[in-house]
Amino acid sequence: GAGVSQSPRYKVTKRGQDVALRCDPISGHVSLYWYRQALGQGPEFLTYFNYEAQQDKSGLPNDRFSAERPEGSISTLTIQRTEQRDSAMYRCASSLGARGRNQPQHFGDGTRLSIL
Amino acid sequence: AQTVTQSQPEMSVQEAETVTLSCTYDTSESDYYLFWYKQPPSRQMILVIRQEAYKQQNATENRFSVNFQKAAKSFSLKISDSQLGDAAMYFCAYRTRLQGGSEKLVFGKGTKLTVNP
Repeated sequence: GAGVSQSPRYKVTKRGQDVALRCDPISGHVSLYWYRQALGQGPEFLTYFNYEAQQDKSGLPNDRFSAERPEGSISTLTIQRTEQRDSAMYRCASSLGARGRNQPQHFGDGTRLSIL
Repeated sequence: AQTVTQSQPEMSVQEAETVTLSCTYDTSESDYYLFWYKQPPSRQMILVIRQEAYKQQNATENRFSVNFQKAAKSFSLKISDSQLGDAAMYFCAYRTRLQGGSEKLVFGKGTKLTVNP
């Protein structure tokens, strides 16, 4: 497709389980971002990739959260030993890149994660 | 750290009327980008309009325009001739333009816009 694709759309899991969320960016986009959006809030930055390099992970809340983009395209956000407070919408975005230029970020529809 | 404030949790407008959504931000930088995103009930995140801080001219996109006041650190969104399809959450966002700076967007908490027929 032409847009950013995220899967699954919904994920319900029990506390303590690991989850992996997938993002397929727009073809040709070198920059990829992960955000988390709590109900009634704006998205909050988690991490950023330029090609396969993780350039900024300052938003990852703790070491249970990790992300990778091994081939510079598809990215996976993994949450280990999930907790109820991890419940949120997880959004991926991509952009053409070219740091310092006005390249807008295009968002996927998100994965809604619910931890029981 | 930069912050973005949207002081209106909810707004409503009559169809065909004009509405203005407020956004203020705090930064010590002189060069940056500002954005408005729309999030309809379908949960997409759609870019509405963007503004480069070094440009004095206010951005416009059809019925959407901004009032960018750099000294006041204000970036409001005006929607003219409101349509039912404009009903959504609207998020204001900031991004640095500094070379080597973070690529992240910093979002406000959003304003829920209702359009009444």
